Amino acid sequence: KQEVTQIPAALSVPEGENLVLNCSFTDSAIYNLQWFRQDPGKGLTSLLLIQSSQREQTSGRLNASLDKSSGRSTLYIAASQPGDSATYLCAVVSQAGTALIFGKGTTLSVSS
Amino acid sequence: DAGVTQSPTHLIKTRGQQVTLRCSPKSGHDTVSWYQQALGQGPQFIFQYYEEEERQRGNFPDRFSGHQFPNYSSELNVNALLLGDSALYLCASFGQGGYGYTFGSGTRLTVV
Repeated sequence: KQEVTQIPAALSVPEGENLVLNCSFTDSAIYNLQWFRQDPGKGLTSLLLIQSSQREQTSGRLNASLDKSSGRSTLYIAASQPGDSATYLCAVVSQAGTALIFGKGTTLSVSS
Repeated sequence: DAGVTQSPTHLIKTRGQQVTLRCSPKSGHDTVSWYQQALGQGPQFIFQYYEEEERQRGNFPDRFSGHQFPNYSSELNVNALLLGDSALYLCASFGQGGYGYTFGSGTRLTVV
């Protein structure tokens, strides 16, 4: 059974700091991995999608890496801003067309 | 291009009642999944519909049922509501292009 773990559960940083969020999964046989952002009480916004054949994806200040063999992904946020404050969720799809399996998320707070 | 639309946004029901939540997928998407998210937790997979059939189901009781219509929209029905069913219910869709899931803003269900 696939399990996804995110560390840390919460993180507080000052504005401008670079930071890394970690995601690990128990079964390395994944189809893809997706990072989401969730603001309090809201739905999920997709940030980055990494296919199993890819090593990383970048969008603006965000960079996500994937190491399937070790069952790990990281989300790197450069030059953090107060607007980045949210919960970040990592999710994997084990086979094409099947459901997302989520971690519990990392709640990020960026202070100005 | 409209994203995933869910209705209603908020709902209050009494224990023992039945509820129906609705979801319209993103244009071009034919697969719809439903997730339950309790406070402070990651979303938990309920079930997934494709071609009007339930294709995959998570660990949820039969009180949770669904339907997909020919236009790909979907409903989630929950019977005999329990206090523990209070949560944010998220709908997600994806298509055949492999671009990952798109989520709606969710329906906040409160059972009293």
